[in-house]
Amino acid sequence: AQKITQTQPGMFVQEKEAVTLDCTYDTSDQSYGLFWYKQPSSGEMIFLIYQGSYDEQNATEGRYSLNFQKARKSANLVISASQLGDSAMYFCAMREGLGAQKLVFGQGTRLTINP
Amino acid sequence: DTEVTQTPKHLVMGMTNKKSLKCEQHMGHRAMYWYKQKAKKPPELMFVYSYEKLSINESVPSRFSPECPNSSLLNLHLHALQPEDSALYLCASSPWGSGRPQHFGDGTRLSIL
Repeated sequence: AQKITQTQPGMFVQEKEAVTLDCTYDTSDQSYGLFWYKQPSSGEMIFLIYQGSYDEQNATEGRYSLNFQKARKSANLVISASQLGDSAMYFCAMREGLGAQKLVFGQGTRLTINP
Repeated sequence: DTEVTQTPKHLVMGMTNKKSLKCEQHMGHRAMYWYKQKAKKPPELMFVYSYEKLSINESVPSRFSPECPNSSLLNLHLHALQPEDSALYLCASSPWGSGRPQHFGDGTRLSIL
């Protein structure tokens, strides 16, 4: 069973607009973590933002925020004021277990920012 | 610049060659990981080392042999690879403990002839 679902294979957004990338997850654990990573064409996976299952506040990091809806099992990434440099592949991932983390990734969303 | 350094960045090898991928981090992280990523696919976990001991092997074929000589280094030894093993190989590290993000290197792009 797929544990992380990203339903948007590709998105096209005008520069300076806000964009929401969808992520839903499936787990029976009470303790889990959700991550978003950005992967430019160069290949590096860049950590963007983290949300723990017990965190009451939605996580924010600069222009990135995570819309965490626990009951709906969704963890959408919101990028405000998009920039051309935001064009990349975006992966949602879930941590399984404690200690050394086994990350399970979604299929990704390719975001293209148009000038 | 990433804090996890992988070498080489590109590698082309024949199916009978033996080569090694290297990963180094100096952040004091005690968990290190190898992932394989095919084009247009998400990374897939291969191995996890915790405190220099192999803790997870995701049923990876024996032609891939990981090694963790010390807390800063992680190697992946390659032997008799197949063309389908061509991929981007990513190394990552993290502090041991929940809620900590994994930090990835730039990866090694491997091509098997």
